[in-house]
Amino acid sequence: EDQVTQSPEALRLQEGESSSLNCSYTVSGLRGLFWYRQDPGKGPEFLFTLYSAGEEKEKERLKATLTKKESFLHITAPKPEDSATYLCAVQALLTQGGSEKLVFGKGTKLTVNP
Amino acid sequence: KAGVTQTPRYLIKTRGQQVTLSCSPISGHRSVSWYQQTPGQGLQFLFEYFSETQRNKGNFPGRFSGRQFSNSRSEMNVSTLELGDSALYLCASSFAGAPYEQYFGPGTRLTVT
Repeated sequence: EDQVTQSPEALRLQEGESSSLNCSYTVSGLRGLFWYRQDPGKGPEFLFTLYSAGEEKEKERLKATLTKKESFLHITAPKPEDSATYLCAVQALLTQGGSEKLVFGKGTKLTVNP
Repeated sequence: KAGVTQTPRYLIKTRGQQVTLSCSPISGHRSVSWYQQTPGQGLQFLFEYFSETQRNKGNFPGRFSGRQFSNSRSEMNVSTLELGDSALYLCASSFAGAPYEQYFGPGTRLTVT
């Protein structure tokens, strides 16, 4: 069964304290991996798409990397406004019918204290 | 550019009733996907519509259905509501089709009593 596991479930950091969030996956036919940010009461906000192992993407204090088994979201010198739930999702190809599905992890809730 | 809008934002229904949720995508986007989000299961894919055709479907019972109109607006219907259907229902639109760079709406919070 295709699975996406995010760790840790929750993370508390002090402002300026860098860290990484992990997303490990077991899917066949990986087509892409996506990172989203979700604030309370809002829909997820697209951050990055990664397609192949070794690929990296950056946006402000965030950097996403991808290997064959997992992805990391590195947060450098975080600020309180980075507090949110970060979701990882993988796009997998279903062998039956050639359709695709998106499987989400349950997210990492990040809190950055001033 | 206006974002994805969903109506209504909050809804309370009783078991056995049916409900219809609406989603207006970003102008120019032809793909609309629907997701269910609960604390226990997280975000789960319901289905995707592209140019009025259902292109992908998740593992949900037939009580969950949807459609897309010629202007790309989409509706999702849930019949014979169950308590377990209480969730945040999210709609996402995309220009190129799911799951590439999807833009989510704020969601409809459905409570079934």
